[in-house]
Amino acid sequence: AQKITQTQPGMFVQEKEAVTLDCTYDTSDPSYGLFWYKQPSSGEMIFLIYQGSYDQQNATEGRYSLNFQKARKSANLVISASHLGDSAMYFCAMREYGGYQKVTFGTGTKLQVIP
Amino acid sequence: EAQVTQNPRYLITVTGKKLTVTCSQNMNHEYMSWYRQDPGLGLRQIYYSMNVEVTDKGDVPEGYKVSRKEKRNFPLILESPSPNQTSLYFCASSLSLIQAYEQYFGPGTRLTVT
Repeated sequence: AQKITQTQPGMFVQEKEAVTLDCTYDTSDPSYGLFWYKQPSSGEMIFLIYQGSYDQQNATEGRYSLNFQKARKSANLVISASHLGDSAMYFCAMREYGGYQKVTFGTGTKLQVIP
Repeated sequence: EAQVTQNPRYLITVTGKKLTVTCSQNMNHEYMSWYRQDPGLGLRQIYYSMNVEVTDKGDVPEGYKVSRKEKRNFPLILESPSPNQTSLYFCASSLSLIQAYEQYFGPGTRLTVT
């Protein structure tokens, strides 16, 4: 069974600093995708970044990068130069492509950016 | 505008009164899914659909039904709601099962069952 673990329920970061949000996963499917979503206090889910299990390079999208360590089964999100608008819940998710098309989310990390 | 719409956005109902939450997408997406979000539990998948007439259970399907008669619509049905189904519900869609497309989420439906 697939599983996603986010061990940081809450984090603080100073404005303009970088922050890493942890995500580990467990799957026996060799083909899978890892996603990060942001949920601000307004409630909508916003896609941030994607990493495929066969991708050779770590994904980057603007200030977001994904530190993908396949052997350790971790897919940490790095936000560089945090600003106040980054305060939100962040969810890691995984989708297996080999069989069932289920999607599993982690429990989320609440990030608060301090001025 | 490409979007996923859900209705209603807010609903307060009583135990046992059947309800349907509608979900519609205008992006011709194959994959659609329903999630519930509860504090401390993240999002949990209820049902998903890989195409018209193809649906499958997620991790928490008990007490819910779905149907996919048209590609654009994926309603969530609660035949006999109970208080433990009080939650925030999200519908989502993505272009393809095969490729790594992200899901687009609806705005959410906050359901309270008394």
